[in-house]
Amino acid sequence: NSKVIQTPRYLVKGQGQKAKMRCIPEKGHPVVFWYQQNKNNEFKFLINFQNQEVLQQIDMTEKRFSAECPSNSPCSLEIQSSEAGDSALYLCASSPGTGVYEQYFGPGTRLTVL
Amino acid sequence: QQKVQQSPESLTVSEGAMASLNCTFSDGTSNNFRWYRQHSAKGLEVLVSIFSDGEKEEGRFTAHLNRANLHVSLHIREPQPSDSAVYLCAVSTYNVLYFGSGTKLTVEP
Repeated sequence: NSKVIQTPRYLVKGQGQKAKMRCIPEKGHPVVFWYQQNKNNEFKFLINFQNQEVLQQIDMTEKRFSAECPSNSPCSLEIQSSEAGDSALYLCASSPGTGVYEQYFGPGTRLTVL
Repeated sequence: QQKVQQSPESLTVSEGAMASLNCTFSDGTSNNFRWYRQHSAKGLEVLVSIFSDGEKEEGRFTAHLNRANLHVSLHIREPQPSDSAVYLCAVSTYNVLYFGSGTKLTVEP
């Protein structure tokens, strides 16, 4: 069973508000991924980190999305100005490494933008 | 970009009958393929990962990969009602997972 911790589990924001969610990877996993799962079960990779460094990221939705994985603190994903289309389940996964290693997912943060 | 499609969209089987799920992908150069399941309001649980053509078994779950046909399947032996969930196929390309839209499996007692 995955030991990735995500908080909060549910987040409700108004349009234009900031939304911030956090992820604590499994102990010993230096690689962290963020994915977005929309209501149609479509997944979108957002960004990944190895230790504190960004490995890969998509063009972060007009710069409204930002993420970081500081040393000795939870990783975070923040939406600066939420839009209705951002409503989704945000999944964090951690991995012992890149390539063939498994990605272990947390339960997700369900964001609803009213 | 990798395109992943799953079929059927939903599947109902009786407890104990084999359940078979299919997944096709667009780029055969990917080197690993995974099946996850997702119970409602929960995260994804990895079931089986397969890296080369052929078969890989993990308990009651067996994956078959045919890279030439761009196809990977999952077979669930003796499914139970607790196996009712959404099953997701994922193809890894350069560390990123590309998911299908899932098959909703219902196992009836």
